[in-house]
Amino acid sequence: QQQVKQSPQSLIVQKGGISIINCAYENTAFDYFPWYQQFPGKGPALLIAIRPDVSEKKEGRFTISFNKSAKQFSLHIMDSQPGDSATYFCAAKKVGTASKLTFGTGTRLQVTL
Amino acid sequence: DTAVSQTPKYLVTQMGNDKSIKCEQNLGHDTMYWYKQDSKKFLKIMFSYNNKELIINETVPNRFSPKSPDKAHLNLHINSLELGDSAVYFCASSLLNRESSGNTIYFGEGSWLTVV
Repeated sequence: QQQVKQSPQSLIVQKGGISIINCAYENTAFDYFPWYQQFPGKGPALLIAIRPDVSEKKEGRFTISFNKSAKQFSLHIMDSQPGDSATYFCAAKKVGTASKLTFGTGTRLQVTL
Repeated sequence: DTAVSQTPKYLVTQMGNDKSIKCEQNLGHDTMYWYKQDSKKFLKIMFSYNNKELIINETVPNRFSPKSPDKAHLNLHINSLELGDSAVYFCASSLLNRESSGNTIYFGEGSWLTVV
């Protein structure tokens, strides 16, 4: 049972373009939605996160859009750079409990010159 | 200084062997985790300890046994290794009840286990 569904599986974007990765969740108890970035040979690292009381959060070139009624959230990378090439994971959990962080299946992003 | 460090980084071993992976965090966190990442990059939690107490125990073969001697360390021991155990194992840590930070989980760099 995949509680967090992520798409696309892979994405190729030209330098300067916008990368968009989408996630959908099922458990309405989730109230914390982070995105992790993973480079080859490294562990996942927190990129940006959002709570459901806001519909958008922006940090530099990275923006999360959140749609609570649709149970969907997405990551937008503006002005994509070759250094952004990595695997991106969305995730979800309930804050402040012993519940687990449930990950999406990952999106491999390649930004070409 | 590395926040979450795990050893060894690479491990190649034969089927049937017993091996351990060690993890240490210097972030002052009270909760530690083991995640498994398979060949398709799917990340799945295996175990979680809070202040040395097991709080999450997913459906994992009992050949896998975690041990937390203190809240800064969480080791993973695997008995009778099988080919299907080949994966990358990530240790991670967080502050469980830090509402303001949303329980940010910090990952180590992974231990690449290959069973031959």
